[in-house]
Amino acid sequence: ETGVTQTPRHLVMGMTNKKSLKCEQHLGHNAMYWYKQSAKKPLELMFVYNFKEQTENNSVPSRFSPECPNSSHLFLHLHTLQPEDSALYLCASSQKDGRVANQPQHFGDGTRLSIL
Amino acid sequence: DAKTTQPNSMESNEEEPVHLPCNHSTISGTDYIHWYRQLPSQGPEYVIHGLTSNVNNRMASLAIAEDRKSSTLILHRATLRDAAVYYCILSGSARQLTFGSGTQLTVLP
Repeated sequence: ETGVTQTPRHLVMGMTNKKSLKCEQHLGHNAMYWYKQSAKKPLELMFVYNFKEQTENNSVPSRFSPECPNSSHLFLHLHTLQPEDSALYLCASSQKDGRVANQPQHFGDGTRLSIL
Repeated sequence: DAKTTQPNSMESNEEEPVHLPCNHSTISGTDYIHWYRQLPSQGPEYVIHGLTSNVNNRMASLAIAEDRKSSTLILHRATLRDAAVYYCILSGSARQLTFGSGTQLTVLP
């Protein structure tokens, strides 16, 4: 039980589809993160939210659109994806965002996304 | 951003201690040293973190060199469940965790 739940665990979609990934944390944290993990590559930070406000966007293409309606929920809306977007998408949360350097992050188990 | 260097892979025998090294020669005074691990088909899991002093928790111990240019994660008694990729990460002025390639730990029965 990680405290960070991601759904769905697996998703297969075509390049013209629109889908959303969901992340929910029950830890009372105020910061939430999206990461991308491609095969044989390190985790890449995509977005950071702190108290529902986006504080980091690491040059992510606009076909990925995050949404954070409250501190417990984070979504990643997907549209017109490319085959190279196939990866494991991980959500994480922490008490405060990275501006406080000693905050551990708690990760979900990810959504395995495959683009046909 | 300060970088870390870890061996690509290590092996250990079950029930023996494991010492996972990490070099971070360009660490700044405000950088914390974090360790995470990632088991197969799971997200990364926080293990331990520290700034200057050695740290212990129920999962592991973190030994930090006096000059802070290196650290060692110590698993006191490896089990098969400890087989994972272990990441040593610095966090500080960069305001985010930057994951490298980590060390793949194999635990032999």
